[in-house]
Amino acid sequence: KAGVTQTPRYLIKTRGQQVTLSCSPISGHRSVSWYQQTPGQGLQFLFEYFSETQRNKGNFPGRFSGRQFSNSRSEMNVSTLELGDSALYLCASSLASPRTQYFGPGTRLTVL
Amino acid sequence: GENVEQHPSTLSVQEGDSAVIKCTYSDSASNYFPWYKQELGKRPQLIIDIRSNVGEKKDQRIAVTLNKTAKHFSLHITETQPEDSAVYFCAASKDSNYQLIWGAGTKLIIKP
Repeated sequence: KAGVTQTPRYLIKTRGQQVTLSCSPISGHRSVSWYQQTPGQGLQFLFEYFSETQRNKGNFPGRFSGRQFSNSRSEMNVSTLELGDSALYLCASSLASPRTQYFGPGTRLTVL
Repeated sequence: GENVEQHPSTLSVQEGDSAVIKCTYSDSASNYFPWYKQELGKRPQLIIDIRSNVGEKKDQRIAVTLNKTAKHFSLHITETQPEDSAVYFCAASKDSNYQLIWGAGTKLIIKP
């Protein structure tokens, strides 16, 4: 099976702009989780979607949002970008529960 | 809510020696404990996991032990090799929502 894919791989934006990142899970996987990873930091959980519904949410401001489509593909959106949003954004897919997660390569977002 | 603490944050060992990384969790209902390895510039990957009905699990040079009474679990790597250099993350979850709660990560350095 093809692995988890994320597009784009790299992105440069300026403060105040908005950005949309995409994640295609492994075929048959219905759960998609999103994480923010900054240099030297761990995996900060953003949210998890299952069957087009947000099932869990981390402690991020409302500028961070997401959605999942009927084919399980997921997008996350960050509005009004801030310098501190510069990070690697990882998505991970799972069959049903988010316990055994398969990560994508990530999207590296740079905010100037 | 659930909290997972991981120690040490950095571990440097001589090639061939053993490495031990420890995690403690706060929610006694947690019953699934995976370990992920993230090599530099790559995505996290599951390397081993353990469920609460098992006290120890081994896979070649790596093993995980679980002490439910003390609420801690550890990753053991024997005969360390250069390719073991990476950041290791532990996590915990429970049946009620399956959401993984992550430790902060341990950077393992293998000295030649």
